[in-house]
Amino acid sequence: AQRVTQPEKLLSVFKGAPVELKCNYSYSGSPELFWYVQYSRQRLQLLLRHISRESIKGFTADLNKGETSFHLKKPFAQEEDSAMYYCALRRNTDKLIFGTGTRLQVFP
Amino acid sequence: NAGVTQTPKFQVLKTGQSMTLQCAQDMNHNSMYWYRQDPGMGLRLIYYSASEGTTDKGEVPNGYNVSRLNKREFSLRLESAAPSQTSVYFCASSENRGGYQPQHFGDGTRLSIL
Repeated sequence: AQRVTQPEKLLSVFKGAPVELKCNYSYSGSPELFWYVQYSRQRLQLLLRHISRESIKGFTADLNKGETSFHLKKPFAQEEDSAMYYCALRRNTDKLIFGTGTRLQVFP
Repeated sequence: NAGVTQTPKFQVLKTGQSMTLQCAQDMNHNSMYWYRQDPGMGLRLIYYSASEGTTDKGEVPNGYNVSRLNKREFSLRLESAAPSQTSVYFCASSENRGGYQPQHFGDGTRLSIL
């Protein structure tokens, strides 16, 4: 079955600390994975996709097929990173399977 | 440029009442989606429309109907609301011109069924 698992509901760190939001997936085909983010009072939006291999707002995510993971990382968290983060897996066409989300709180 | 607009933003219904959630996008996107967001469940796809005149069921379609009225609008109807349908509903749209195109989300509709 296709599934996206985000084991942490809440992750709290202090400003300047490293951040890693975990995402594991199960998918029989070749996966396409994404991170979506929802800041307070803003709409859910795409943060990054694995195929682009890009860094957005200091965040990176590497697809590890051996561990079936797509963890989101940032070396130094900022207060403005506080948000709800969703990992998502692309199915056929443009349908996505979302994980349950992780709320990141960055304290000053 | 409003993007994806959902109405209403909040609604309270009694069990058994019917309701239509409206969604419109001004980005000329072909694909549109309805999700529900529940605590601990993430976003789950209710229905999907790849183009005007076509709709497909998602993960949790029971209790819902949709209409893709035209390219801009995609409505979600609850014919007989149940407390289990209390949720936040999100509409999204995307292009489908090959490869993956990001989904653009609305602000959501918070629906409570008493």
